[in-house]
Amino acid sequence: SAVISQKPSRDICQRGTSLTIQCQVDSQVTMMFWYRQQPGQSLTLIATANQGSEATYESGFVIDKFPISRPNLTFSTLTVSNMSPEDSSIYLCSASPGQGADTQYFGPGTRLTVL
Amino acid sequence: AQSVSQHNHHVILSEAASLELGCNYSYGGTVNLFWYVQYPGQHLQLLLKYFSGDPLVKGIKGFEAEFIKSKFSFNLRKPSVQWSDTAEYFCAVNGNTGGFKTIFGAGTRLFVKA
Repeated sequence: SAVISQKPSRDICQRGTSLTIQCQVDSQVTMMFWYRQQPGQSLTLIATANQGSEATYESGFVIDKFPISRPNLTFSTLTVSNMSPEDSSIYLCSASPGQGADTQYFGPGTRLTVL
Repeated sequence: AQSVSQHNHHVILSEAASLELGCNYSYGGTVNLFWYVQYPGQHLQLLLKYFSGDPLVKGIKGFEAEFIKSKFSFNLRKPSVQWSDTAEYFCAVNGNTGGFKTIFGAGTRLFVKA
């Protein structure tokens, strides 16, 4: 298993600014993922972040808006750039220890409110 | 297209009632199936999973799920729910296609009355 922490746990930001969310895993993992969870809705995958390569973004999400870093096997960041109120959501980091399809472990999430 | 469908968005039960949450999936290739649970104020955690073998899998807290390949289903069951089972439950699928990404259902909110 893996224990995941995220910082910040919540934030209130002004429109037009950017926020970087950090995700730390207590063990080395192959795959890390970033999700968005709107209130009362399911998880939407933003991108997959593998160490040593560019993140792979899902349809509707672009690198300019959501740049991701994955400098090593235990850490990743997601930046929400040029924020608007529509970006208000919970952002979740998850990690999968295996090489392929495997169980995912989730962080506690970052609750973002954009005014 | 890959998708997961959960039949019930909201379920309200009394304690000791039996629970069955429906989940159907559409996914090409070999599948791994999961149920995740999110208790109020807590983060998502794994309830149980099926990778291969016995299609009836048992998870934590008395939950079980049955993989029926012919029906593309992975329904979650518990014979007798408790107030502490109040949570949101997500069915999910991944596999060796689609870049290993996990597809989540919309979730089912379960409220158990004491």
